Amino acid sequence: EVQLVESGGGLGEAGGSLRLSCAGSGFTFSSYEMNWVRQAPGKGLEWVSYISSSGNMIYYTDSVKGRFTISRDNGKNSLYLQLNSLRAEDTAVYYCARVGARVGDGFDIWGQGTMVTVSS
Amino acid sequence: SYVLTQPPSVSVAPGKTASISCGGNNIGRKSVHWYQQRPGQAPVLVLYHESDRPSGIPERFSGSNSGNTATLTITRVEAGDEADYYCQVWDTTTDHPRWVFGGGTKLTVL
Repeated sequence: EVQLVESGGGLGEAGGSLRLSCAGSGFTFSSYEMNWVRQAPGKGLEWVSYISSSGNMIYYTDSVKGRFTISRDNGKNSLYLQLNSLRAEDTAVYYCARVGARVGDGFDIWGQGTMVTVSS
Repeated sequence: SYVLTQPPSVSVAPGKTASISCGGNNIGRKSVHWYQQRPGQAPVLVLYHESDRPSGIPERFSGSNSGNTATLTITRVEAGDEADYYCQVWDTTTDHPRWVFGGGTKLTVL
């Protein structure tokens, strides 16, 4: 079964750090582009960051640039998001999502999400 | 920055047709993807590249995209279709490409 499983969420203090992980299974992880998407309580989806299959191309949404770092370890079939300088507005469910195989495809596989709560 | 505009809510009776719009500047030139999110669950891709359906998505889901509006259409609406729906595009209009989601539309089945 193709799946993504996030972990690492929890309670963090404002100004503090957390590290999220996303484990892929059931597919060739190294062949796929990956993303992090977050959803604040009661709000819509917000794209956070993108990483290419090899890790050589990385993009961030403006609000997290300089604070969050996306990375991947294809040998471990894992995606990561390092969250630094946490703010209250970073409180959200964080999803990892796979981009489909064709160029420009949407996000065909999503994890179940991991909750990050930032206390001020 | 590129903005996608969706109506906050759409209501439809069971068995009828629901249309959810997604507005954006020249969105017809972009590839649009649509997601369904039921309460407490992760989003699910229901349409990609405007009108392609992933395996397992019913033919009742279809889409179109032209000019400044993309549309998700659900025919013969069922109670199980009640969910939030989001459109998405890949924006390359700046030096920093990014994925953009619409604000989401809550579909209520009356």
